[in-house]
Amino acid sequence: AQSVTQPDIHITVSEGASLELRCNYSYGATPYLFWYVQSPGQGLQLLLKYFSGDTLVQGIKGFEAEFKRSQSSFNLRKPSVHWSDAAEYFCAVKGTNAGKSTFGDGTTLTVKP
Amino acid sequence: EAQVTQNPRYLITVTGKKLTVTCSQNMNHEYMSWYRQDPGLGLRQIYYSMNVEVTDKGDVPEGYKVSRKEKRNFPLILESPSPNQTSLYFCASSDRGLDGYTFGSGTRLTVV
Repeated sequence: AQSVTQPDIHITVSEGASLELRCNYSYGATPYLFWYVQSPGQGLQLLLKYFSGDTLVQGIKGFEAEFKRSQSSFNLRKPSVHWSDAAEYFCAVKGTNAGKSTFGDGTTLTVKP
Repeated sequence: EAQVTQNPRYLITVTGKKLTVTCSQNMNHEYMSWYRQDPGLGLRQIYYSMNVEVTDKGDVPEGYKVSRKEKRNFPLILESPSPNQTSLYFCASSDRGLDGYTFGSGTRLTVV
């Protein structure tokens, strides 16, 4: 069975500081990995995805993520956080059953002025 | 505009009264899915569909039904809602199974 763990429930960073949100997955083969963002009262928006190839993937809004097979991780990063980045972030995994997608419990990001 | 449309956005109902939440996408996507979101539990998959007339259970299918008679529509049916189905529901679609999802804006359901 596939699963996703986001170890941090809540993270607070200062505006302009760097950000790293952690994601660990469990899947027997090469997974397909995604990060989504949910602003308050909104649906989820896809930030980026990893299928294969280059382990560092670029996404929208200045986000990037690095796939590390040895650590079963897919951490999300941003070099300089803006106040508008305050939201909830979800990591998700799909396997060979393309219809089945499993999400982590989410990390809430607060940005201090 | 490419989008997934859910209706209604808010719904309060009573225990046992059948209801349907509609979901429609205008992107000709093959894959569609329903999730529920509860505080501290993230998103849990209820049902998904890989094409017309092809549906399968997700992680929490009990108490829910779905149908996919047309490619664009994927309604979620609660035949006898109970208070533990009070939640925020999201419909999502993707072009290919391994693409990311496009999500609807959500339906907040309260069952009293």
